[in-house]
Amino acid sequence: EVQLLESGGGLVQPGGSLRLSCAASGFTFSSYAMSWVRQAPGKGLEWVSAISGSGGSTYYADSVKGRFTISRDNSKNTLYLQMNSLRAEDTAVYYCAKVEYSSSVRSLSRGYFDYWGQGTLVTVSS
Amino acid sequence: QSVLTQPPSASGTPGQRVTISCSGSSSNIGSNTVNWYQQLPGTAPKLLIYSNNQRPSGVPDRFSGSKSGTSASLAISGLQSEDEADYYCAAWDDSLNGRWVFGGGTKLTVL
Repeated sequence: EVQLLESGGGLVQPGGSLRLSCAASGFTFSSYAMSWVRQAPGKGLEWVSAISGSGGSTYYADSVKGRFTISRDNSKNTLYLQMNSLRAEDTAVYYCAKVEYSSSVRSLSRGYFDYWGQGTLVTVSS
Repeated sequence: QSVLTQPPSASGTPGQRVTISCSGSSSNIGSNTVNWYQQLPGTAPKLLIYSNNQRPSGVPDRFSGSKSGTSASLAISGLQSEDEADYYCAAWDDSLNGRWVFGGGTKLTVL
């Protein structure tokens, strides 16, 4: 059974930093790209970042580029999101998600999020 | 402002068929596959439809998806009270070095 368990959320002041973790189990972690998606209170879903299975390729939304860094430790089956220079508008529930592909060509353009964690709340406020 | 456009709300009575639209552009829906997610109140999103019209195992065949050009639709037939949720469309967008984009979400109310 695939399980994704996020941790690391909490209250942080504007300009501060936080590192989120996502512990994965039930699948061969290194074989799959992973992603972070966030949801501000009462708002819709917003894609944040993604990373390839090897960790060699990373992708970011413009809203977080230069401030957030996605990484993974395949030996620990864990995904990370280092968040720096946090702003009030970064307040959201952050979900990690496993990426699956709809074709034999494992391209992100054919990818979708087949499993999601339960989310961890990040609140940026003074 | 979301890259993909969905109606903010939809409604229907039990047993009815409802559709939710999702409009995009040539850089996302027009050239890539569309996926749909269901988010029940207070829970994490769940994959509902992938690759335009494919249902993961466990998703009832009351749910179906379609795509034409730069638009997509989610149809729910035989509406049930437990279908009351938020629904999001999503697709990969080839612009700006590549990114996933979501619709703003449609809140479905079962009357």
